[in-house]
Amino acid sequence: EAGVTQSPTHLIKTRGQQATLRCSPISGHTSVYWYQQALGLGLQFLLWYDEGEERNRGNFPPRFSGRQFPNYSSELNVNALELEDSALYLCASSLTGTSGYEQYFGPGTRLTVT
Amino acid sequence: AQSVSQHNHHVILSEAASLELGCNYSYGGTVNLFWYVQYPGQHLQLLLKYFSGDPLVKGIKGFEAEFIKSKFSFNLRKPSVQWSDTAEYFCAVRPRDAGNMLTFGGGTRLMVKP
Repeated sequence: EAGVTQSPTHLIKTRGQQATLRCSPISGHTSVYWYQQALGLGLQFLLWYDEGEERNRGNFPPRFSGRQFPNYSSELNVNALELEDSALYLCASSLTGTSGYEQYFGPGTRLTVT
Repeated sequence: AQSVSQHNHHVILSEAASLELGCNYSYGGTVNLFWYVQYPGQHLQLLLKYFSGDPLVKGIKGFEAEFIKSKFSFNLRKPSVQWSDTAEYFCAVRPRDAGNMLTFGGGTRLMVKP
């Protein structure tokens, strides 16, 4: 069974640009989560999508946004990039998120903002 | 807001030594608890989980964890570590009524010397 996949592996952008990160969940999983792992800040919850809807959002500014497609894959968009957005962005998926299902993580996208 | 504390940032052990990694959380309600592991060059993997029932849970690779509700703790243990256990370990908490987000501890880097 294929795990959670993310693309690209690495992304280099300039301050002020936009970044788009992609995630494909495990087959059968309808919930997708995004986390940021920044140096010194640890893993922080960003967004949760389930059945195409945003269900929860972490303490991040509105320039972090995303969507979930009908096939349950997801996209994270970061607008007006700032240097401190440099981090590893992890995507996770689970069965429907309304009850206690564990989250499975992908390998991440390393975003570097210069 | 809930928080998770992992007391040891770096642990160095010799093979066959016993391991205990501390994890404490602050949240008054019902929680699900997890330990994830990240081996060098690999993505986060679920080690074990606690949802309800027996507070002593067993995971993969000989790891176990004990949920002590009165102490808000979920410590990870292994009786005899191996060199292959060298990794970073993350404790995570999911309050049942907090929108399915995981709150992670800062992680503990374990190095096992052969």
